[in-house]
Amino acid sequence: EIVLTQSPGILSLSPGERATLSCRASQSVSNNYLAWYQQKPGQAPRLVMYAVSSRATGIPDRFSGSGSGTDFTLTISRLEPEDFAVYSCQQYGSSPLTFGGGTKMEIK
Amino acid sequence: QVHLVQSGAEVKKPGASVMVSCKTSGYTFTNYAIHWVRQAPGQRLEWMGWINPDNGDTKYSERFRDRVTIARDTSASAAYMDLSGLGSEDTAVYYCARGSTSDWPFDFWGQGTLVTVSS
Repeated sequence: EIVLTQSPGILSLSPGERATLSCRASQSVSNNYLAWYQQKPGQAPRLVMYAVSSRATGIPDRFSGSGSGTDFTLTISRLEPEDFAVYSCQQYGSSPLTFGGGTKMEIK
Repeated sequence: QVHLVQSGAEVKKPGASVMVSCKTSGYTFTNYAIHWVRQAPGQRLEWMGWINPDNGDTKYSERFRDRVTIARDTSASAAYMDLSGLGSEDTAVYYCARGSTSDWPFDFWGQGTLVTVSS
């Protein structure tokens, strides 16, 4: 099973700042099938990024993804108030599919 | 537009079973897999398994293999998840999500169903 470790656990930033979220895998992610989801309290997750760097439908271009193998990054270039949420990475290339523990982004 | 609508909250006693339904619309049901994912309070998302609605094939996480059954009704464009032998550790929000059997993420999700296990 691929274990995904996200850091930091909590990220305190102000609107307009840049956010960098990390996701590290215990082994290489097959075909770079790595996705990121945004989740707000009481809501279902929402797909933000897939295949490392492809933005999901409706996701603004201030979101970008990078990485390969075992190290991946989600970057939000200029934070908007609606971006403050929990972000979880997921690998969907190997069974069992697994998720990271999440990074909670809070307003500083 | 794509929608996945799940059944309502459930309260179950330890040892009981629960079934959660996921009714889909807005796309061809047999073209995408339906996955089930759960999230216990304060815990990470946990994948439980998927069903290929086209042929009924299923794949389960080893963690749930003995207790979970995923089924579908193509005439209703719906999928179902049955979890047996409930314990307090199964208290969680259960989600269905649209994906594939191998190479696509979860692009649409149901709203979630809270299952509470309590004596």
